[in-house]
Amino acid sequence: QITLKESGPTLVKPTQTLTLTCTFSGFSLSTSGVGVGWIRQPPGKALEWLVLIYWDDDKRYSLSLSSRLTISKDTSKNQVVLTMTNMDPVDTATYYCAHRRYGYNYWEYWGQGILVTVSS
Amino acid sequence: QAALTQPRSVSGSPGQSVTISCTGTSSDVGGYNYVSWYQQYPGKAPKLMIYDVSERPSGVPDRLSGSKSGNTASLTISGLQPGDEADYYCCSYAGNSRMVFGGGTKLTVL
Repeated sequence: QITLKESGPTLVKPTQTLTLTCTFSGFSLSTSGVGVGWIRQPPGKALEWLVLIYWDDDKRYSLSLSSRLTISKDTSKNQVVLTMTNMDPVDTATYYCAHRRYGYNYWEYWGQGILVTVSS
Repeated sequence: QAALTQPRSVSGSPGQSVTISCTGTSSDVGGYNYVSWYQQYPGKAPKLMIYDVSERPSGVPDRLSGSKSGNTASLTISGLQPGDEADYYCCSYAGNSRMVFGGGTKLTVL
């Protein structure tokens, strides 16, 4: 059974760096073809894909946010870490991590999400 | 990458059918047969309902179907039920492992 769960701060100040962790079970990021991505959703607004990391450490970033995002994995801990720099109130959103497989272009398993508010 | 265009809202009565459109470009929807659809209830994570344009994951009723023509994909829900009332998002592969979502459609069951 595949599960994912996001963790991290729920409140950050403008200009700060956000660090979120996705802890998962039921699969390994050392298995060929496996990937984990991040998707966010501002309150009352649409989903937005942010970034993806594959088992081989290949990383893909949203073109609009690539300068602010970094993704990394810790295979031994079954974790993926997202950092987003220079946070702004418009970055207030629920952040989801999700499972994806290489060549399978959809998100089959999602975490419950974590609401991050950016406010001074 | 611009978001895919979906109607803000659609509605139908129980038992009726509704179709939600999702319009992109030749760089995403029109360029690949990799459109997926997600159902989302308030306060909940999205749930995969359709993948690869028209495939249903195990457990998704066959009342839901997907199709694509050119740069526009569609999700049709037939035999509407009150439990279908939710937000629906399309998502397309956009090359280079990148994905783009639609703006979302609120389905109201009258």
